[in-house]
Amino acid sequence: GQNIDQPTEMTATEGAIVQINCTYQTSGFNGLFWYQQHAGEAPTFLSYNVLDGLEEKGRFSSFLSRSKGYSYLLLKELQMKDSASYLCAVLNTGGFKTIFGAGTRLFVKA
Amino acid sequence: NAGVMQNPRHLVRRRGQEARLRCSPMKGHSHVYWYRQLPEEGLKFMVYLQKENIIDESGMPKERFSAEFPKEGPSILRIQQVVRGDSAAYFCASSPPVDQETQYFGPGTRLLVL
Repeated sequence: GQNIDQPTEMTATEGAIVQINCTYQTSGFNGLFWYQQHAGEAPTFLSYNVLDGLEEKGRFSSFLSRSKGYSYLLLKELQMKDSASYLCAVLNTGGFKTIFGAGTRLFVKA
Repeated sequence: NAGVMQNPRHLVRRRGQEARLRCSPMKGHSHVYWYRQLPEEGLKFMVYLQKENIIDESGMPKERFSAEFPKEGPSILRIQQVVRGDSAAYFCASSPPVDQETQYFGPGTRLLVL
């Protein structure tokens, strides 16, 4: 079956670092995405990992371990505007069907 | 370069009516995906289309739902005889012929069935 797990909610303080974990079990794997979605808006692309390791992009980094079926999104120097849902998604083999997790709602407090 | 456009942004229908949701992909993009998002839930894949072809509709309910992406014009997601459970946000995404992995999302259509 297809299963993507991530925490439902997290709270962190402005200026801090937060790590959002994602584990997956899918019938195929062709890469893992992280998207940010503010309430009532469309998801926006953050990162795409297809090989193991850490990819850094400004304040955001994403890590992948294919053998463990595990990824995390690391957000540094948190800002209030980072309060949003963060969606973990796996691209199935064949390259077009993307399976989304339910998302992690991050609350950044002052 | 305009992003993915969807219209209408909000749609209210009564039970039994038809809903038509439109999606215009980004310029140069030939792949369109439709997703449904229920409140407090993640996006659920519905269908993947290329011009004039349905590639994968495994996420689409077998009845009342259909999708098309004609040679000219936007992609259409059509829901016949809507029921209250169809109330959701429907997102369209598009990707280019190369680098198909990255999908660009439209603003969504929020359907409310009364």
